[in-house]
Amino acid sequence: DIQMTQSPSSLSASVGDRVTITCRASQSISTYLSWFQQKPGKAPKLLIYAASTLRHGVPSRFSGSGSETDFTLTISSLQPEDSATYFCHQSYRYPLTFGGGTKVDIK
Amino acid sequence: QVQLVESGGGVVQPGRSLRLSCAASAFTFNTYVVQWVRQAPGKGLEWVALISSDGSESFYADSVKGRFTISRDYSSDTVHLQMNSLRPEDTAIYFCGRREAGSGRAGPVDYWGQGTLVTVSS
Repeated sequence: DIQMTQSPSSLSASVGDRVTITCRASQSISTYLSWFQQKPGKAPKLLIYAASTLRHGVPSRFSGSGSETDFTLTISSLQPEDSATYFCHQSYRYPLTFGGGTKVDIK
Repeated sequence: QVQLVESGGGVVQPGRSLRLSCAASAFTFNTYVVQWVRQAPGKGLEWVALISSDGSESFYADSVKGRFTISRDYSSDTVHLQMNSLRPEDTAIYFCGRREAGSGRAGPVDYWGQGTLVTVSS
């Protein structure tokens, strides 16, 4: 199975800060990588798919990059509503897998 | 608007069965792949199962293979997850999500249901 390792597991940042979350795959997954945002008690919300494609309607402060094994989710200017947990997800090979999540708090 | 609505959750004893449903509306059901993911209390997301748009293929997480079966009913635009031999570690909120089949596996899983809670306990 492909293991997805996210770092950090949590972070605290101020409004306006640039935030970067990384996701590493245990083997190459090309660009079969999505990023989801989840708030407590809610369903996951898709932000990015195919590693770098922003879902329609998602604010442009979110961006994704990477390929093969190393991927990054960047929030260019953190907003209060971005407080959530973020998960990466590989869809390259079954069984599909998620990263462990990164909890983002606002200072 | 596009909706996925899960149902069928509840409290069940270990070893028993439960069937979850994911009812789709406002989109062309037979052109979308549907998957289930789950989230144990206070934990991250775990992918569970996926069924192709035509129902010919299904895939499972190792943790549920041989116990869970995913299927789809085109007469009611519903995907089912039959869960047998349930264990306490299956306790979680179960979410279903859709992906357009034509977009390929890198395509967006763009809509999710609100989830249904399964509790396995004696």
